[in-house]
Amino acid sequence: AQRVTQPEKLLSVFKGAPVELKCNYSYSGSPELFWYVQYSRQRLQLLLRHISRESIKGFTADLNKGETSFHLKKPFAQEEDSAMYYCALRRNAGNMLTFGGGTRLMVKP
Amino acid sequence: KAGVTQTPRYLIKTRGQQVTLSCSPISGHRSVSWYQQTPGQGLQFLFEYFSETQRNKGNFPGRFSGRQFSNSRSEMNVSTLELGDSALYLCASSLASGPSSYNEQFFGPGTRLTVL
Repeated sequence: AQRVTQPEKLLSVFKGAPVELKCNYSYSGSPELFWYVQYSRQRLQLLLRHISRESIKGFTADLNKGETSFHLKKPFAQEEDSAMYYCALRRNAGNMLTFGGGTRLMVKP
Repeated sequence: KAGVTQTPRYLIKTRGQQVTLSCSPISGHRSVSWYQQTPGQGLQFLFEYFSETQRNKGNFPGRFSGRQFSNSRSEMNVSTLELGDSALYLCASSLASGPSSYNEQFFGPGTRLTVL
C-alpha cells in the first residue's frame, strides 16, 4: 500500500529565510507526486506536480526516487507563503490521491 | 467559471441517523472525487466517480456510499452515523484523468458534518 509522510506538523521561519517542507513516500510502483496548498479561508489547491518540473510562486520540488522523497523548497520565504501544505501521491489511473498529514508553514515578519 | 459547490456547508446529525451530501462540479468536469478530512486521520480518499460509474474506492466501510448523476453532480451518503464520522467532507472535480495524464482536481469548500 502507498503511504505519504510529512514529518513536520509545523514549520516556522522568518521572512527571507529558506524553506524546505519534507515529504517521503512509500510505493512500489512509479508514483506521481504533487504538492497541494491551502491558504487561510481558501480552498485546497494544486501548487505543483513533479512531472511538470516547474517553479510555482518560487517553490520547486524534485522527485528523488532513491530516497523516496519529494521535498518542497523555496530559497526566500515570504509572509504570503504561510499556509497548510500537503504532499500527495497518485498511483494509478483516475484521481485517487493519497495525502500526507500536512505541514503548517508560518512565515514570520 | 463557477467553482465546485457543496451543499450543505454545515450539518449536525445524531448517531444512527443517515446523511446525504451534495457536490456540483465545475461545468464540463466529469470526474468527481470525495475525501474525508479529520484532525486525526488527515485527508483520506473515499471514492471517485466518472460518467456515473465508481472508478476508485478508498478503504471505508460500506456505510459510505456515493453516486453520480448524468449531469455529473454527485452525492455521498453515510448511513448509521457514528461519532467518528464527524469530519470535513471535501469534493473535487476534474476532467477525466488517464493512466498517463492527470488533470488537476479542483476542490470545493467542504461540508462540515458533526455527529452528536
